[in-house]
Amino acid sequence: AQSVTQLGSHVSVSEGALVLLRCNYSSSVPPYLFWYVQYPNQGLQLLLKYTTGATLVKGINGFEAEFKKSETSFHLTKPSAHMSDAAEYFCAVRSNTGNQFYFGTGTSLTVIP
Amino acid sequence: DTEVTQTPKHLVMGMTNKKSLKCEQHMGHRAMYWYKQKAKKPPELMFVYSYEKLSINESVPSRFSPECPNSSLLNLHLHALQPEDSALYLCASSPWTENTEAFFGQGTRLTVV
Repeated sequence: AQSVTQLGSHVSVSEGALVLLRCNYSSSVPPYLFWYVQYPNQGLQLLLKYTTGATLVKGINGFEAEFKKSETSFHLTKPSAHMSDAAEYFCAVRSNTGNQFYFGTGTSLTVIP
Repeated sequence: DTEVTQTPKHLVMGMTNKKSLKCEQHMGHRAMYWYKQKAKKPPELMFVYSYEKLSINESVPSRFSPECPNSSLLNLHLHALQPEDSALYLCASSPWTENTEAFFGQGTRLTVV
């Protein structure tokens, strides 16, 4: 079965500092990977996705992620954190045999002024 | 229209009540989902509908009853809920292709008293 693991349930960064949120996947075949952001009491919003092709994926709000097959990783980065980036972030993988999405446990990002 | 619309946004119900959550999308997606999300946790899949047929039924209590009247609508009927069922209920939809993301609604915040 496919799964994703997010290391670090809480990450704090200073405003303007680099954001790095970690995600590793477990899959025997190339996965379809996604990063979602969730603000309090709201639904999940897609930040970016990797399906095929370029391994460096750019998303909304200045986020990007790099798919590294050798490391089975899909870490999310942003060069300079903004106060509005404070939220919950979920890494997800879509099953390639059905229509299920598997979510990581989430990382809560705090941005310190 | 790239939205998934959920109503109501908030719902308070007693343990003997019967209520329904509604979800609607007009993107032509043929897969629709109900997720339950507790605070600081990832979404948990409850039901998946594909082509208006329930394809996966997790071990969800029978007090939750999904209904898919047509390809654009998804309901979740609630009856005799327990306080521990209080959560954010998220609806999502996706095309029936593997490399696409799920689109989420804003959720219904349910409180069982």
